[in-house]
Amino acid sequence: GQNIDQPTEMTATEGAIVQINCTYQTSGFNGLFWYQQHAGEAPTFLSYNVLDGLEEKGRFSSFLSRSKGYSYLLLKELQMKDSASYLCAVRENTDKLIFGTGTRLQVFP
Amino acid sequence: GAGVSQSPSNKVTEKGKDVELRCDPISGHTALYWYRQSLGQGLEFLIYFQGNSAPDKSGLPSDRFSAERTGGSVSTLTIQRTQQEDSAVYLCASSSEWRGGRDTQYFGPGTRLTVL
Repeated sequence: GQNIDQPTEMTATEGAIVQINCTYQTSGFNGLFWYQQHAGEAPTFLSYNVLDGLEEKGRFSSFLSRSKGYSYLLLKELQMKDSASYLCAVRENTDKLIFGTGTRLQVFP
Repeated sequence: GAGVSQSPSNKVTEKGKDVELRCDPISGHTALYWYRQSLGQGLEFLIYFQGNSAPDKSGLPSDRFSAERTGGSVSTLTIQRTQQEDSAVYLCASSSEWRGGRDTQYFGPGTRLTVL
């Protein structure tokens, strides 16, 4: 079966660091994606991991451990505009993405 | 255009009517995907196209749902005899690569379908 788990909601303070975890159980693995989705808008691509380790891109970093079926998205120097839903998605051996339900992050001043 | 476009942006229909949702992918993208996002739910895969063929239709919820793609570009998702449970945001995405590489999927703004 397929299962992707993320926390439903998280809150953080402007300027802080937040880590959003994602665990997955899928029949195959060919990459993990993180997307950001503001309310009422389309998801936008943030990061991609296919090998173990950390991928850093500005204020955002994403980590993957394939043996543990685990990833996290790290957001540094949080800004109010980072308030959004963060979607973890796994590509199995085919090309479709299996999405988690998303983590709604609220950043407070 | 520069990104994926979808039309209409909003569609309200009566139960039992048919609807057509359109997606224009990024120019040159060979792969096209349809997803559905219901309130409070994650994105649910429906179908994807490589060129004009659909290798994976496994996500279509019922035989009321169908999709086609012509000319390797525009795709239409058709829902026949709509039901209230079909109400959702229908998202289209496209990507430039097939099978491998960081074929990032770029999403359109979606069509919000409301079935009364």
